[in-house]
Amino acid sequence: QSVLTQPPSVSGAPGQRVTISCTGSSSNIGAGYDVHWYQQLPGKAPKVLIYGDTHRPSGVPDRFSGSKSGTSASLSITGLQAEDEAHYYCQSYDSSLGLHVVFGGGTKLTVL
Amino acid sequence: QEQLVESGGGVVQPGRSLRLSCLASGFTFSSYGMHWVRQAPGKGLEWVAIIWFDGSLKYYADSVKGRFTISRDNSKNTLSLQMSSLRADDTAVYYCARDRGRVAPEDLDYWGQGTLVTVSS
Repeated sequence: QSVLTQPPSVSGAPGQRVTISCTGSSSNIGAGYDVHWYQQLPGKAPKVLIYGDTHRPSGVPDRFSGSKSGTSASLSITGLQAEDEAHYYCQSYDSSLGLHVVFGGGTKLTVL
Repeated sequence: QEQLVESGGGVVQPGRSLRLSCLASGFTFSSYGMHWVRQAPGKGLEWVAIIWFDGSLKYYADSVKGRFTISRDNSKNTLSLQMSSLRADDTAVYYCARDRGRVAPEDLDYWGQGTLVTVSS
C-alpha cells in the first residue's frame, strides 16, 4: 500500500480534460514537501512532467499542469491526446521514516 | 546530453548477492544526489535509496535497509547498488536516477533505461 494514494485508473476522450489526484498526509504533502509528477510510457523509463508542485520542465506541453492544497495534489491534462495514454505517478518526501522518497501507486490513463 | 546507463542485472538465486552500476555522462556527476528506484513486473515505482552528491548521506527504503548499500565514485562518474540476501520480491527493473536538487532532494529529472534483476532458484 503506497504512502501516497492515487486512483488506479482514469479515462477521457480526445480533447477532454482529466485530473489525477494524489492524496497524502501531514508527514509528506501536508508537511510542505514538494510534489512531482512522472509519466511512464509502456516499456520506457519514467519522465518528469511536473516538478515543485507546479513547474513544467522545458519540452513538456502546457496541457499538463499541477496544483497542491493541504495534503493533496493534482495533475491536470487538458486537450487529451492519444499519446497521453500512459501511467502517471506522483512523488514526494516523507519525514515520518527519516528522509524517504514516496511514490503514489500510479494511475493508468486511458484515452478512449 | 545527460545520460545514465545501468548495468549488472541478471538472474540470481535467493540469498545471493548482486552489484548494479550506473555510469553517468553529460553532466557534473559530483554535483548531484542520485537515487535507485525499482519497479516489479506489472507494478508501480518503488524508491530504493538516495545518496547525497558527496556521499555524505544515504537513506534507504525499509524494504532494503540492512541488505542493500548505495555508493558512488565521483572520480569514475559511477553509482552503485550492492544487493545482498536477495529475495524473490526484489525481482524488478532497477533504475538509477538523478536528483535535480543541489542543496536538498527535489525531483528525479533524469533516469536510466533500467536493468532487470530476477531472483529465482
